[in-house]
Amino acid sequence: GAGVSQSPRYKVAKRGQDVALRCDPISGHVSLFWYQQALGQGPEFLTYFQNEAQLDKSGLPSDRFFAERPEGSVSTLKIQRTQQEDSAVYLCASGTSGRDEQYFGPGTRLTVT
Amino acid sequence: QKEVEQDPGPLSVPEGAIVSLNCTYSNSAFQYFMWYRQYSRKGPELLMYTYSSGNKEDGRFTAQVDKSSKYISLFIRDSQPSDSATYLCAMTNAGKSTFGDGTTLTVKP
Repeated sequence: GAGVSQSPRYKVAKRGQDVALRCDPISGHVSLFWYQQALGQGPEFLTYFQNEAQLDKSGLPSDRFFAERPEGSVSTLKIQRTQQEDSAVYLCASGTSGRDEQYFGPGTRLTVT
Repeated sequence: QKEVEQDPGPLSVPEGAIVSLNCTYSNSAFQYFMWYRQYSRKGPELLMYTYSSGNKEDGRFTAQVDKSSKYISLFIRDSQPSDSATYLCAMTNAGKSTFGDGTTLTVKP
């Protein structure tokens, strides 16, 4: 079956622009996670949804970052007024529960110029 | 100090070698332990998942967890050039996963 998909795969934004990154989880997966991965480092947790409820957003680096999953399926990570330090790969993962394996999408590579 | 520390590598081995990848952690609340493989410009791919101390084997891969020492390992037997990738350990507590920074492995033919 289809895995986790993310779009766009690559995004170049000028500093100060707003961006929206989309994640389509595996059908039926109730948990959804966003991670940020800098070059040469492991993914860093951003936020976690169980269905439409955002249970943990402790990893969001600032109030410029906002995530939503209004119908418990597709999720969007929005970054307002992008800064150069926001340049990274943003990974989405889904799972059958918060206590189970996570399956990752290919990521969106964001470059802020 | 990071909650999860991973041997940084890089690691280069000849084809057929046994590879040992290791992580230590400091948070005793971690309940689930995973190993992921990540190829360049791809998302991490789950290799092994376990929640108890001991060994878990899947083909050429063996995951080992020692909760008393807060130490996990991944062993790869009969390594192949296709195993060349970055390997990430990860640990989960209450839905939140914490990753190591990865070990890059190259298996030379």
